[in-house]
Amino acid sequence: KQEVTQIPAALSVPEGENLVLNCSFTDSAIYNLQWFRQDPGKGLTSLLLIQSSQREQTSGRLNASLDKSSGRSTLYIAASQPGDSATYLCAVPRRNSGAGSYQLTFGKGTKLSVIP
Amino acid sequence: NAGVTQTPKFQVLKTGQSMTLQCAQDMNHNSMYWYRQDPGMGLRLIYYSASEGTTDKGEVPNGYNVSRLNKREFSLRLESAAPSQTSVYFCASIRQRGYTFGSGTRLTVV
Repeated sequence: KQEVTQIPAALSVPEGENLVLNCSFTDSAIYNLQWFRQDPGKGLTSLLLIQSSQREQTSGRLNASLDKSSGRSTLYIAASQPGDSATYLCAVPRRNSGAGSYQLTFGKGTKLSVIP
Repeated sequence: NAGVTQTPKFQVLKTGQSMTLQCAQDMNHNSMYWYRQDPGMGLRLIYYSASEGTTDKGEVPNGYNVSRLNKREFSLRLESAAPSQTSVYFCASIRQRGYTFGSGTRLTVV
């Protein structure tokens, strides 16, 4: 059974700092990994989808890396801003999802606070 | 705005009451999902519908039923609510492996 772990559970940094969020998964036979952002009381917003054939994916100040062999992904946030404060979740597809389905296994998230 | 719409946003039920959570998407996606999110547990899949007319159980289906009314709508029903079903419920739809989530329904069962 796939397990996804995110450490730390919470992180507080001063504004302007570069930071890295970590995600690890137990079954390396994944075909992609997604990073989501969740603001308090809101739904999830997809940030980056990184395919298994890719090593990195970038969007603005965000950079996600994937190392399948070690079962790890990182989300790098450059020059953090107070508006980046949110919970960040990573997710991988479940093996043997039913035909036509695409189920995700989520980590529990890292709650990021960027202090002005 | 295109997306996934969930109603209601908040609900309080008494134990044993029933209710239906509504979800609609206007992106013409085939697959739709219901997840619940609990503190310390993360998101867990309740039911999904890979296409119109089909539904399947996810990780935690007990106590729930679903209906895929048409391509747009996927509802989640609690027949006899229990305090253990207090949670935030999210509906999502996907296209080409890109998930779009609704804003959630916060349900409290007392």
